[in-house]
Amino acid sequence: ETGVTQSPTHLIKTRGQQVTLRCSSQSGHNTVSWYQQALGQGPQFIFQYYREEENGRGNFPPRFSGLQFPNYSSELNVNALELDDSALYLCASSLPRGQGTGELFFGEGSRLTVL
Amino acid sequence: QKEVEQNSGPLSVPEGAIASLNCTYSDRVSQSFFWYRQYSGKSPELIMSIYSNGDKEDGRFTAQLNKASQYVSLLIRDSQPSDSATYLCAVNSERGYQKVTFGTGTKLQVIP
Repeated sequence: ETGVTQSPTHLIKTRGQQVTLRCSSQSGHNTVSWYQQALGQGPQFIFQYYREEENGRGNFPPRFSGLQFPNYSSELNVNALELDDSALYLCASSLPRGQGTGELFFGEGSRLTVL
Repeated sequence: QKEVEQNSGPLSVPEGAIASLNCTYSDRVSQSFFWYRQYSGKSPELIMSIYSNGDKEDGRFTAQLNKASQYVSLLIRDSQPSDSATYLCAVNSERGYQKVTFGTGTKLQVIP
């Protein structure tokens, strides 16, 4: 069984740039959620994708966007980067509502630093 | 009021002692409750899930749920230095989709 994989693991960008983070879900999981974790904080829900559509969104501005592909992999895009976007970005896969109970399985994360 | 509240700690316990971690949540329709362990610089790892009132035991870990009090706890028996980590309480409130909300985490230090 293949776990959740994320890329890149670390990256440095400058303010105003754009970034794309990638995630491959665990085998058999067709729901992908993205979280932002700032230093010393708990993960904050950005959005969730199911069947290639955004299925729910947290309190993040529109410059945070995403995609899900037919193979259930997903991308997180952040435009116009701000210093406060520096964080660990976590991708988590899960079974969909009705089949699972919300257990999330996380990848190793992508550490983004915005200078 | 935060949706999921935890004491940030650090909680220090001696090796071999019982560590008790607590969490309260605000959404009464919450259905599923989780404890994740996160080592420094790593991603969260699921260690316990609990769905009904009462206790659930798995090895040295016991999760306790009281929906009337909106309270979840995690007990770690025979604490080991390797248990030193941040423990995140998470709650699933299904509102058309599975939204799992995390607390800020409690840092546990097990002193040898």
